[in-house]
Amino acid sequence: AQSVTQLDSQVPVFEEAPVELRCNYSSSVSVYLFWYVQYPNQGLQLLLKYLSGSTLVKGINGFEAEFNKSQTSFHLRKPSVHISDTAEYFCAVILLSGGGADGLTFGKGTHLIIQP
Amino acid sequence: EAGVVQSPRYKIIEKKQPVAFWCNPISGHNTLYWYRQNLGQGPELLIRYENEEAVDDSQLPKDRFSAERLKGVDSTLKIQPAELGDSAVYLCASSLRLYSGRADTQYFGPGTRLTVL
Repeated sequence: AQSVTQLDSQVPVFEEAPVELRCNYSSSVSVYLFWYVQYPNQGLQLLLKYLSGSTLVKGINGFEAEFNKSQTSFHLRKPSVHISDTAEYFCAVILLSGGGADGLTFGKGTHLIIQP
Repeated sequence: EAGVVQSPRYKIIEKKQPVAFWCNPISGHNTLYWYRQNLGQGPELLIRYENEEAVDDSQLPKDRFSAERLKGVDSTLKIQPAELGDSAVYLCASSLRLYSGRADTQYFGPGTRLTVL
């Protein structure tokens, strides 16, 4: 079975500083990779996804992530954060073997706290 | 375009009472998911529908949980009877599945926050 590990439960960062949220996955087969963001009292919104091709993926709101197959990682980065980026961030995977329609397997989430 | 709609947004019940959650997916989306999100955790899949067929319900606690998706559009998730441990946020998501081998984007609703006293 696949699993997702987000090593940091909370990441405090000063406004306009860069940030990296870490994500590692474990799977015996290839996976598709996703990052979702959840603002308070809202549903999850897709930030970006990696299906194939270039390992550097750009998403919405200035976020990007890099897929590293040898390290089974998919870390999320942003060069300069804003107060509005304060939210919970979830890394997730879907198995390729399921054709891409399976349910997402999520990590426990990382709470990004932006300090003024 | 309207997103995924869920109701109610909040529900407080006493244990052993029944409860139901409703989801209206994005128009035209043929795949529908129900997830449960416990406090401080990521969502976990309960059931997945393709049109009106439940194709993956392996994580649904069938002794007390049931779900239906009549006519392949709206869906209802029911718990009867509710237990204290069922307190969580129940999320509905939908996607448009055109063909196999592609990871379709799942669009999430705002969720229903259930509190069981």
